[in-house]
Amino acid sequence: GDSVTQMEGPVTLSEEAFLTINCTYTATGYPSLFWYVQYPGEGLQLLLKATKADDKGSNKGFEATYRKETTSFHLEKGSVQVSDSAVYFCALRSNTDKLIFGTGTRLQVFP
Amino acid sequence: DTEVTQTPKHLVMGMTNKKSLKCEQHMGHRAMYWYKQKAKKPPELMFVYSYEKLSINESVPSRFSPECPNSSLLNLHLHALQPEDSALYLCASSPRTGGGRSPLHFGNGTRLTVT
Repeated sequence: GDSVTQMEGPVTLSEEAFLTINCTYTATGYPSLFWYVQYPGEGLQLLLKATKADDKGSNKGFEATYRKETTSFHLEKGSVQVSDSAVYFCALRSNTDKLIFGTGTRLQVFP
Repeated sequence: DTEVTQTPKHLVMGMTNKKSLKCEQHMGHRAMYWYKQKAKKPPELMFVYSYEKLSINESVPSRFSPECPNSSLLNLHLHALQPEDSALYLCASSPRTGGGRSPLHFGNGTRLTVT
């Protein structure tokens, strides 16, 4: 079945450091890929999305590129802020109603 | 601001109580979802409603009973819950079903504690 694998956290960075959170997937067909962010005590917010190979999703300085050849959708940001501290979920949706989540990666950014 | 509104934000209930969680969206979405999220885990799908009909039930115990009165509203009725049911309950909606291209839009959740 479809699945998403994310790197284990927590990821701990200093402010202004470069961020990469790895995400790979297994799916039949051509899924859409998403990154969601969950701040403490809140629900999930859609951060960015990509619906086909080579698409690049971007939002709030975050980027991720849909790589079909490596089945990856890694999240990157050039300069993180303390306010980026949250849990990040990679997810995919194939031709069903289900959204498949990775296990989540906690990011902690210190001043 | 989230466009999916959930009430209440917090709920404490005993194991013999009956309570309901409510969810509302006004984006014209025709698919609505209930998820359960335990601490430090990803959300787990419970139910999906598509065009106001239950389309997916992920083998959820009968003490959880969903209801979709109309295309904008989704309820989750709770009865005789167990302490292990304590979790964050998230509602979500999506513009399409079975299409696979649309993201889900989540509410901020109801934090449920069963005592």
